[in-house]
Amino acid sequence: EPEVTQTPSHQVTQMGQEVILRCVPISNHLYFYWYRQILGQKVEFLVSFYNNEISEKSEIFDDQFSVERPDGSNFTLKIRSTKLEDSAMYFCASSEARTSGINEQFFGPGTRLTVL
Amino acid sequence: AQSVAQPEDQVNVAEGNPLTVKCTYSVSGNPYLFWYVQYPNRGLQFLLKYITGDNLVKGSYGFEAEFNKSQTSFHLKKPSALVSDSALYFCAVRDTAGGSYIPTFGRGTSLIVHP
Repeated sequence: EPEVTQTPSHQVTQMGQEVILRCVPISNHLYFYWYRQILGQKVEFLVSFYNNEISEKSEIFDDQFSVERPDGSNFTLKIRSTKLEDSAMYFCASSEARTSGINEQFFGPGTRLTVL
Repeated sequence: AQSVAQPEDQVNVAEGNPLTVKCTYSVSGNPYLFWYVQYPNRGLQFLLKYITGDNLVKGSYGFEAEFNKSQTSFHLKKPSALVSDSALYFCAVRDTAGGSYIPTFGRGTSLIVHP
């Protein structure tokens, strides 16, 4: 069964450093998403991406964040200068393009980001 | 605006007993509703969804959910719980009246099934 993969599984970084979280969505999916989950809190939407551009983003997704699809398979989330409050589990997800919004999303296992 | 609430942080049930994980929602238009499950060290896995039609939706692993428009609820149910059902369960809603295609997720409910 196809699945979304994410690397690394755990990233530890110093405050102010840049991090790049990587995701490989399911190959025939065209919509991509990043979510985060701070420990014990709800899953929060960050950004969605379609046709090589951001389609939606939340208030959390400020200028410190960026996304990119550098090749035909990877989808990355970059945090330019990490803050302590960026510590969270980051989930990548993808979905089919049939009709956005009613198709279920397929999630990766997550990257746990710890900012010291 | 769309929102979803999972009023219970944790649900405990004995193996073999029926289980219910509660979810209520708020939307301006009609809701699209989803349930996901998260096992330890895994991403969220889709269980089932309600878009339109029959109020009782059947999903993976023997789970089902009932859409109740008057109570704005979409509770997840299973007739007979298994220890392996122990996991974190997330309800999500998307408002068809809103401009966003992105669902809002609840805080999650930890289901613990005791042998």
